[in-house]
Amino acid sequence: GENVEQHPSTLSVQEGDSAVIKCTYSDSASNYFPWYKQELGKGPQLIIDIRSNVGEKKDQRIAVTLNKTAKHFSLHITETQPEDSAVYFCAANLPGGATNKLIFGTGTLLAVQP
Amino acid sequence: EAQVTQNPRYLITVTGKKLTVTCSQNMNHEYMSWYRQDPGLGLRQIYYSMNVEVTDKGDVPEGYKVSRKEKRNFPLILESPSPNQTSLYFCASSLSLAGGGEQYFGPGTRLTVT
Repeated sequence: GENVEQHPSTLSVQEGDSAVIKCTYSDSASNYFPWYKQELGKGPQLIIDIRSNVGEKKDQRIAVTLNKTAKHFSLHITETQPEDSAVYFCAANLPGGATNKLIFGTGTLLAVQP
Repeated sequence: EAQVTQNPRYLITVTGKKLTVTCSQNMNHEYMSWYRQDPGLGLRQIYYSMNVEVTDKGDVPEGYKVSRKEKRNFPLILESPSPNQTSLYFCASSLSLAGGGEQYFGPGTRLTVT
C-alpha cells in the first residue's frame, strides 16, 4: 500500500525566512497530493494541493512542487510569519476504486520565531 | 456556516465503559471518515463511509465501530475502550469520492482512557 514519509519532524525558522517541508510517497499511481495545516486545538485545514499533471502550484506565499519521477513533493513557505506556526501534514491519495482515502505523513511542527 | 462538528471535545473515561463520539456535517457530503492522531504517527484512518449504510474499515479499525444511518451523521463507537485508544480523534467529510478532493475536518475529540 501507499506509504508517505515526511521530513523534518520539527522546523524552526526566523520570521521572514523561508521554510521547506519534504514528503516522499511509494505508490507511483498516486495522483493527488494535498497539504494540511493544523493550528493548536483545531482540526487540519487544506492549504494547497497539487495533482500529478502539474509540477508546481503557487498561492501567495505558499507553493508546492511535485517530482513524479522521484516520487516526492515539497511545501515551500516564503516570508514566514508567526501565524504560520502550526503542524503541517502532507498526504497522498490511495489510487484506484471509488474512495477518497488519503495516506498522511507524520507531520512537521513549524515554529516561526519573531 | 459549512462545518463538521464533533462532540464531546474532551472525554475522560475508564476501561470498558462504552462511549460514542458524535460527528455531524452540514455540507451534504457523501464521504465521511474518522481518523486518530498520535504523536509521531500522524493521522491514521479508522473507518470511512461512502454513503448512507455504506461503511468500510480504514487502517486501524480494531476496537471501533461506526454507523451511517443518515447522510449528515457518522458516530464513532468504542464498545469497550482500552488505554491504547487514548488519542485525538478527528471526523472529516468530503464531497469528492474519486481522484482526491478537500476533506473538511472537525475540531477534534481528545479521549483519555484510564
